Formats: sequence, C-alpha cells, structure tokens
Amino acid sequence: QKEVEQNSGPLSVPEGAIASLNCTYSDRGSQSFFWYRQYSGKSPELIMSIYSNGDKEDGRFTAQLNKASQYVSLLIRDSQPSDSATYLCAVSDSGYSTLTFGKGTMLLVSP
Amino acid sequence: EAQVTQNPRYLITVTGKKLTVTCSQNMNHEYMSWYRQDPGLGLRQIYYSMNVEVTDKGDVPEGYKVSRKEKRNFPLILESPSPNQTSLYFCASSFIAGPSQETQYFGPGTRLLVL
Repeated sequence: QKEVEQNSGPLSVPEGAIASLNCTYSDRGSQSFFWYRQYSGKSPELIMSIYSNGDKEDGRFTAQLNKASQYVSLLIRDSQPSDSATYLCAVSDSGYSTLTFGKGTMLLVSP
Repeated sequence: EAQVTQNPRYLITVTGKKLTVTCSQNMNHEYMSWYRQDPGLGLRQIYYSMNVEVTDKGDVPEGYKVSRKEKRNFPLILESPSPNQTSLYFCASSFIAGPSQETQYFGPGTRLLVL
C-alpha cells in the first residue's frame, strides 16, 4: 500500500514569513510529485510539480525533492493571508493518473 | 475556457436508488479519474481511464462503476448507493506533457448525501 504522509497541521505563520510544508512517501518507484492547494469546499488546484532531485522555483513557491530520503517539501515565501488553505502532496509512480494523495496540511497565515 | 465540469454539484438521494454523476472535459485529455474526499481520509482514487474504453480500478472501487465511451466524458455510476458513499466527489483529467510529466485538472466537485 503506497503511503504519502503529511503533518495535518494547522501550520500557523505570520504574514510575510516563509511557510514550510513537508511530505514523505513510501514508494521508492515514485516518479512524479505534485503540490495542490485546496480552499475549503473547493477543488484541488495544482501549484507545483517536480520530477527530479533538487529545487524548482515558481514565483513565491519552491518545491524541493530528495528521492534518496523520499521527501518532498514546499516553501512559500512572503506568505499572504490568501495562502491560507490546505496543501495536498501527491505522488505518482507512472504519471498516468495513478496519483496517491496525502491527507493535507492546513496552512493559516495571519495578518 | 478549458475546464472539467461535473453534474450535479449537489445531490441528496436514498439508499439503493441508482445515480450517475457526469464528468466532461473540453481539453481533449486522454486520462481521466474519479476521486472521493472524506474528512480524515483525504483524496482517494476510485477509478481512472487512460483512454476510450480503457478503465481501471483505483484504491476504492467497490460500489462504483465507470464507463468511457467518448474521450470527453467519464461518468461515475452508483448502482445501489449506500450511506458510506456519502462524500465529496471529484473528477479530474490529465494532460501528459512528456514522460512522467502529468498535469491533472480537477472539476468543481459533487457533494453527495445518501440517506
């Protein structure tokens, strides 16, 4: 059984701070890694994907992947109250719609 | 506008009454999936489809059926709904940019209550 683990939170950070979200996965064959943001009652929205070891930056977001440690993280710089949401880590071994999701980490950014 | 649509968005039904939740995408994506989301359990994949007439079970397929007769549509069928199928359901479609490069887009969700 493939597992993706996330701290459920909530993770509370002040506005302007860096939020660090972490995820570990059990399947060493995993190839593709995604971070989704989900606002309460809404559908998940893809914010980052990463496929190789190292860092990938997109605006205020940086995804970090360490396959040897089976660890994925998401950094959000200059956190805004609008970033308050649940962040879902998802992992795939083949990339063909077989995503396994973590249960998500709730992020709260206070003004 | 590129999108995944689901209908109905909200549904209250009774145990045993067959229902279908429709899903349609206008992006010509080959891959489509159904998920359910429950508090404390997260998103779990029910079924997925790699192309027309090609479907496979996800992690929690019991009590569900799907079909993929056309590329754009992927309906979820509950032949005899039970209260434990009360959940928030999401349809998703995927764009494959290259090897191990999938981008998955989610529909708005269908909230189902089975009494």
